[in-house]
Amino acid sequence: AQKVTQAQTEISVVEKEDVTLDCVYETRDTTYYLFWYKQPPSGELVFLIRRNSFDEQNEISGRYSWNFQKSTSSFNFTITASQVVDSAVYFCALSDGFGNEKLTFGTGTRLTIIP
Amino acid sequence: EPEVTQTPSHQVTQMGQEVILRCVPISNHLYFYWYRQILGQKVEFLVSFYNNEISEKSEIFDDQFSVERPDGSNFTLKIRSTKLEDSAMYFCARSSARLAGGPGTDTQYFGPGTRLTVL
Repeated sequence: AQKVTQAQTEISVVEKEDVTLDCVYETRDTTYYLFWYKQPPSGELVFLIRRNSFDEQNEISGRYSWNFQKSTSSFNFTITASQVVDSAVYFCALSDGFGNEKLTFGTGTRLTIIP
Repeated sequence: EPEVTQTPSHQVTQMGQEVILRCVPISNHLYFYWYRQILGQKVEFLVSFYNNEISEKSEIFDDQFSVERPDGSNFTLKIRSTKLEDSAMYFCARSSARLAGGPGTDTQYFGPGTRLTVL
């Protein structure tokens, strides 16, 4: 069975600090997809990134970066120079390799940026 | 990417009543999903729907739940006899059609959700 663990329940940092959100996954599939979603206080789920299991290149998008390491089954998310608007719950999710399959979510990390 | 719209945004109902939650795709996607999120908890998969059929469902999706796409556009989730524990945010999601002969595509984009409160 698939499983996603986000061990950090809540994190608070002062604005402009960097912060890393951890995600560890378990799957028996050799092909799979990993995702991060953001849930701001308004409640919607906003897609941030998708990564397939064959692509271990790290990715950077503005202040966001993702570190995928198959050796440790981790897909960590770093926000550089955090801003108050980054305050949200962040979910890591996993789906198996055939796409369009169900997402298994972690329990989420609540990030609070202190101005 | 355009998402989906969901109606109503908030539904309050009495225990034992039937509710229908609606999801309206903006464009003509083939894959649809329902997830729920009990307050303060993680997002849980309920059911996936492809080509007008259920493709997968979770243990949560018991006989009290049903889905359909009655008019080829709206995608509905029906709860026949609501329980207190059905109170949650219900999210509809969509993804692109699977590429023929290739790997599955794709990212699931979520609607804004319907908050269901069962009294």
